[in-house]
Amino acid sequence: ETGVTQSPTHLIKTRGQQVTLRCSSQSGHNTVSWYQQALGQGPQFIFQYYREEENGRGNFPPRFSGLQFPNYSSELNVNALELDDSALYLCASTTGTSLNEQFFGPGTRLTVL
Amino acid sequence: DQQVKQNSPSLSVQEGRISILNCDYTNSMFDYFLWYKKYPAEGPTFLISISSIKDKNEDGRFTVFLNKSAKHLSLHIVPSQPGDSAVYFCAATYNQFYFGTGTSLTVIP
Repeated sequence: ETGVTQSPTHLIKTRGQQVTLRCSSQSGHNTVSWYQQALGQGPQFIFQYYREEENGRGNFPPRFSGLQFPNYSSELNVNALELDDSALYLCASTTGTSLNEQFFGPGTRLTVL
Repeated sequence: DQQVKQNSPSLSVQEGRISILNCDYTNSMFDYFLWYKKYPAEGPTFLISISSIKDKNEDGRFTVFLNKSAKHLSLHIVPSQPGDSAVYFCAATYNQFYFGTGTSLTVIP
């Protein structure tokens, strides 16, 4: 059973650019959630995808968008990058729409210059 | 608006003693509470959880206590071991996950 994987590990972008982060969910999981963790903060919920549909969204602007694919892998896209978007981006997978136990990937560290 | 708060950024405990990590929340609609542990360069890993209808849940060395009237959650680790050194996040759920800011626990051998 493979765990949650994310790519890339690190990424450096400049302000105004666009970025795509990728996540492969744990085997058997059909729900993926994305989180932003700024330095010294806890993870902040961005959105969740269940069976390829957005199933809940946190307080993030529309320039944060996502996709979930038939194999339940997922992408997080951020347009018009701002300096404050610099953070660790975590994805987590689970089964169904359960808000209980989630399994997290190691994260992608995004730096916006 | 931080609905889940961990007011102690760090905690140091001697090996073998009890570690107590605290968490406060503001939203009475939260229905599930969880603790996650995070090592550097890894994602958070689930540790233990408790439903809002219970006041205690125990799993080996880890016990979570919930005081709904005080809107307070605590994680007890006993005995503490050096391998427990990590950042601990409490989280609560109501339609989505809400995480605290974390407490860095150091267990001194």
